[in-house]
Amino acid sequence: DGGITQSPKYLFRKEGQNVTLSCEQNLNHDAMYWYRQDPGQGLRLIYYSQIVNDFQKGDIAEGYSVSREKKESFPLTVTSAQKNPTAFYLCASSTLRAQNTEAFFGQGTRLTVV
Amino acid sequence: SQELEQSPQSLIVQEGKNLTINCTSSKTLYGLYWYKQKYGEGLIFLMMLQKGGEEKSHEKITAKLDEKKQQSSLHITASQPSHAGIYLCGADGGGGATNKLIFGTGTLLAVQP
Repeated sequence: DGGITQSPKYLFRKEGQNVTLSCEQNLNHDAMYWYRQDPGQGLRLIYYSQIVNDFQKGDIAEGYSVSREKKESFPLTVTSAQKNPTAFYLCASSTLRAQNTEAFFGQGTRLTVV
Repeated sequence: SQELEQSPQSLIVQEGKNLTINCTSSKTLYGLYWYKQKYGEGLIFLMMLQKGGEEKSHEKITAKLDEKKQQSSLHITASQPSHAGIYLCGADGGGGATNKLIFGTGTLLAVQP
């Protein structure tokens, strides 16, 4: 079955550590996205990528890094520079926007800093 | 850059009542998406609107895009507990086909039996 998979579902990190969240899709989508969601709030765009080996900063990229070495994979690293990393992280993928099709979402990763 | 504002921020209705959620864009919309999210889960696609004045329905949910393509509304008729969740509108943040997909602030809906 085609879909988008995030792992792990829950992640705990000590302060000062980097941590990487995984996002894999087998939908053959060109575009992939990372969002952060805080309690009771909407989604804020961290990074997005339209093609392999290229990505753009979203509205809240500081303290995060990404890579797009393969079309299927778009991992997000939460670095120690991110001052308040505890949040729910969602990954999505879609065909390129000009085709106006919806984005598909993973089930999310809940990151907690302890 | 484009911003999407939703209202109300939260809503509590009794089962069987109708309700409306609004999404207002700071720029012309070139495609407006409505999603629903259950707490702690991913987003489920509801529908997409592209043309000014367009209206789509699925079961008891109807979405409209105004003629100027800067505002959309989501209307639920005879709400049920299964409608509870967070409703989010999404659009291209670059004002066109830039692939910068952004979302509104979200509306939390609770339906009381």
